[in-house]
Amino acid sequence: AQKITQTQPGMFVQEKEAVTLDCTYDTSDQSYGLFWYKQPSSGEMIFLIYQGSYDEQNATEGRYSLNFQKARKSANLVISASQLGDSAMYFCAMRHIWAGTALIFGKGTTLSVSS
Amino acid sequence: NAGVMQNPRHLVRRRGQEARLRCSPMKGHSHVYWYRQLPEEGLKFMVYLQKENIIDESGMPKERFSAEFPKEGPSILRIQQVVRGDSAAYFCASSPTGSDTQYFGPGTRLTVL
Repeated sequence: AQKITQTQPGMFVQEKEAVTLDCTYDTSDQSYGLFWYKQPSSGEMIFLIYQGSYDEQNATEGRYSLNFQKARKSANLVISASQLGDSAMYFCAMRHIWAGTALIFGKGTTLSVSS
Repeated sequence: NAGVMQNPRHLVRRRGQEARLRCSPMKGHSHVYWYRQLPEEGLKFMVYLQKENIIDESGMPKERFSAEFPKEGPSILRIQQVVRGDSAAYFCASSPTGSDTQYFGPGTRLTVL
């Protein structure tokens, strides 16, 4: 069965520092996509970054990068130069490449950024 | 290009009433997904629809819950005879054909009194 594990319930970081949010996944399929979403206190779900299982390069989007280690089945999110506005819940998710299948979410990590 | 729209944003119902949640996907998106988020939990998949078709409803409770995505108009998630355990945030997401990425609406927070 597919599963996403986020082992860090909460993380704390100072402004301008980098932070890594952990995510491991379990699947027997070869073709899948990995996603990170941000949920601020206002409640909406904001798409941050995507990594395909066949992508050889780690995905990057501005200050976000995804440290993809396929053999270890990990897809950690790295946020560089943290900002106060990065304080939010972060969810790792996975889906299989075939169109139309559901996203499977982890339980999330709460990130708190302090000045 | 407007994002995924959901309304209402907040909905209060008494036990036994019906709840109707609406979702308008992003322009050009033909795939709609509904998820439920209980307090302190991640999102759980409920149902996946394309226009006029339910493709995957493996996450839908067997009773009281139904979903549709008509040819014209928004997708509707309908919960009949609501109970307190239905209190949650319900998110709709959409994606275009050929894309893996789902874009979420702001959610509807349902409170059952």
